[in-house]
Amino acid sequence: DVKVTQSSRYLVKRTGEKVFLECVQDMDHENMFWYRQDPGLGLRLIYFSYDVKMKEKGDIPEGYSVSREKKERFSLILESASTNQTSMYLCASSSPNRRGEAFFGQGTRLTVV
Amino acid sequence: AQSVTQLDSQVPVFEEAPVELRCNYSSSVSVYLFWYVQYPNQGLQLLLKYLSGSTLVKGINGFEAEFNKSQTSFHLRKPSVHISDTAEYFCAVSGGSNYKLTFGKGTLLTVNP
Repeated sequence: DVKVTQSSRYLVKRTGEKVFLECVQDMDHENMFWYRQDPGLGLRLIYFSYDVKMKEKGDIPEGYSVSREKKERFSLILESASTNQTSMYLCASSSPNRRGEAFFGQGTRLTVV
Repeated sequence: AQSVTQLDSQVPVFEEAPVELRCNYSSSVSVYLFWYVQYPNQGLQLLLKYLSGSTLVKGINGFEAEFNKSQTSFHLRKPSVHISDTAEYFCAVSGGSNYKLTFGKGTLLTVNP
C-alpha cells in the first residue's frame, strides 16, 4: 500500500526555535511537496522538489527552507519559528507518470507558542 | 499560471439529498483535474480524477464529476448523500512540466440528519 509518512502528528515549539518536519514516501516518486493548510485559505504550496537536491519555491516560501538529500525524504525547516507559522502542514508525493495525482501524509499540526 | 476557484465555502444538506460542489479552473496549458476529500484530523485522499477521455468520471463513495472544457468547470456531484460524507472537499488542477498541484480553498460539506 502506498505510503507517505510524516514524522509527527502534533508538535508544540517555542518562538525562535529551529523546527524540522520530516516526510518519507515509499513509492519512488520524483516529486515531493510541502503544503500549509489554514481555515478558509485551502492548501498553499510552500516548496516542492522534483528531484534529489532540486527544489522550487511555491506560493509562500518566506520563513521556510527545505532539504532533499535522498529521493524518499523531504524535510521542511522553519529557521526561526514564529506564532504565525502555527498551522497544519501536509506533505505529498507524486510522479509525472500520474499527471500530478498526489498522495498525502496525515499532516503535522504545529503550534508555535 | 493555473488557479482553482471553489464557489462555495460551505454547503449544508440533508441526508439523502443530492449535492453539487462547484469548481472552476484556469490554466494556460493542458490540465488534469482532481477532487480530494479530507475527513476531520486526516490527510487528503483522492476521490476522483480527470486525465483524458470521457468527460464524466466516477470516483469512490458514489461521487462523480463532469469535466466541461468550454466552461472550465469540474463540478462534483452525488445523487444521495450520507452523514458519513461530511468532510472538506478540495478541487485541484495540475499541469506544466512538473505537474504541480494547485488547490482551491475547499468546500465544507455538512450532511444533517
